[in-house]
Amino acid sequence: ETGVTQTPRHLVMGMTNKKSLKCEQHLGHNAMYWYKQSAKKPLELMFVYSLEERVENNSVPSRFSPECPNSSHLFLHLHTLQPEDSALYLCASSPGQGRTGELFFGEGSRLTVL
Amino acid sequence: GQSLEQPSEVTAVEGAIVQINCTYQTSGFYGLSWYQQHDGGAPTFLSYNALDGLEETGRFSSFLSRSDSYGYLLLQELQMKDSASYFCAVSPISGGYNKLIFGAGTRLAVHP
Repeated sequence: ETGVTQTPRHLVMGMTNKKSLKCEQHLGHNAMYWYKQSAKKPLELMFVYSLEERVENNSVPSRFSPECPNSSHLFLHLHTLQPEDSALYLCASSPGQGRTGELFFGEGSRLTVL
Repeated sequence: GQSLEQPSEVTAVEGAIVQINCTYQTSGFYGLSWYQQHDGGAPTFLSYNALDGLEETGRFSSFLSRSDSYGYLLLQELQMKDSASYFCAVSPISGGYNKLIFGAGTRLAVHP
């Protein structure tokens, strides 16, 4: 139990579907992150939110739309995805602006796009 | 740009010592982190080197040499449960909020 919970754990969707990934952290942290993990590739940072404000958008296609309604919840809305978007999507949190190198990750949502 | 290189796979036997290297190219960073990830699990933080030298945490140690653009994770007294993927990551100065850049990971297989 890492204190960061992601749902669903597995998701299969067609290219025309709309779905959302949810992340909730119970650690009282101020910053939340979305990372994409593909096989044999580095984790790719997608978005960063600090105090519910988006502070990083790492050239992610618009078919991925993040939402952070409060400091404990983070969503990733998905629409018209491509098969190459199939990956493990990891949510993480950290206490704030402190650069300790430590992120607290959830177990991820495994996405398959058909 | 910024990149980190790690070996893709390492094998070792139970009770042995293994070193996982990480070389990097970056314009500047605050520190080097290491994470462990078991299959189907979350990446979990192991260590962070802000300064050159060795940091020891139980059976795991991490080392950083900024002059050599190099670091490593040392695992001692290997156990079967140490079989996992290990990632190095840097916190670039150009970023913030723990914006970490990761390597592709090293898969460690520990055999009896």
